[in-house]
Amino acid sequence: GAVVSQHPSRVICKSGTSVKIECRSLDFQATTMFWYRQFPKQSLMLMATSNEGSKATYEQGVEKDKFLINHASLTLSTLTVTSAHPEDSSFYICSARTGTSGGDEQFFGPGTRLTVL
Amino acid sequence: DQQVKQNSPSLSVQEGRISILNCDYTNSMFDYFLWYKKYPAEGPTFLISISSIKDKNEDGRFTVFLNKSAKHLSLHIVPSQPGDSAVYFCAASLGGSQGNLIFGKGTKLSVKP
Repeated sequence: GAVVSQHPSRVICKSGTSVKIECRSLDFQATTMFWYRQFPKQSLMLMATSNEGSKATYEQGVEKDKFLINHASLTLSTLTVTSAHPEDSSFYICSARTGTSGGDEQFFGPGTRLTVL
Repeated sequence: DQQVKQNSPSLSVQEGRISILNCDYTNSMFDYFLWYKKYPAEGPTFLISISSIKDKNEDGRFTVFLNKSAKHLSLHIVPSQPGDSAVYFCAASLGGSQGNLIFGKGTKLSVKP
């Protein structure tokens, strides 16, 4: 099956710093990538959708200046949490979809645990 | 207001028996539903899906039932195996299989040997 990787798997940072999370599709080209956030005992919440080469579409309530998304290639999308604060501590998961007739399924990465001190 | 609800945070079942995971939704416009399975420290993996034009989809030990009038779907696993122990997420889409997904909070299934 299709594999999506995320790096880093875990990050601890000080308040006010920026953190970049990478999401890669390893064996397929992803025309669309999604970024989700999951707080403890809560559902996965879609933050934004990004298509290669175009600006990301953010969900209501998600600050686009705080969560910068770059989908520069068909295999890589990055999420940068700028000026992170303790309330940004969460589990961030990306997913990727080929968008071809071969399937519409989203393949998820393993997630990144962000802890902001 | 949560549009996709999984009201049972956990479920414990004996190996070999049937596991029934439930999911309710509020938006009658959802046209595609999916179940994902998630192990700790891993991302969700797709399990099975169903279009709103159907009321049942079966894949091996896994069957999803959809009751549109009740806005309810369920995932049946039979027979349950210890390896099925995981968190199961129900998700719904407004745009068919291409639509963005709205997830429930998940139900943690424990299958005891």
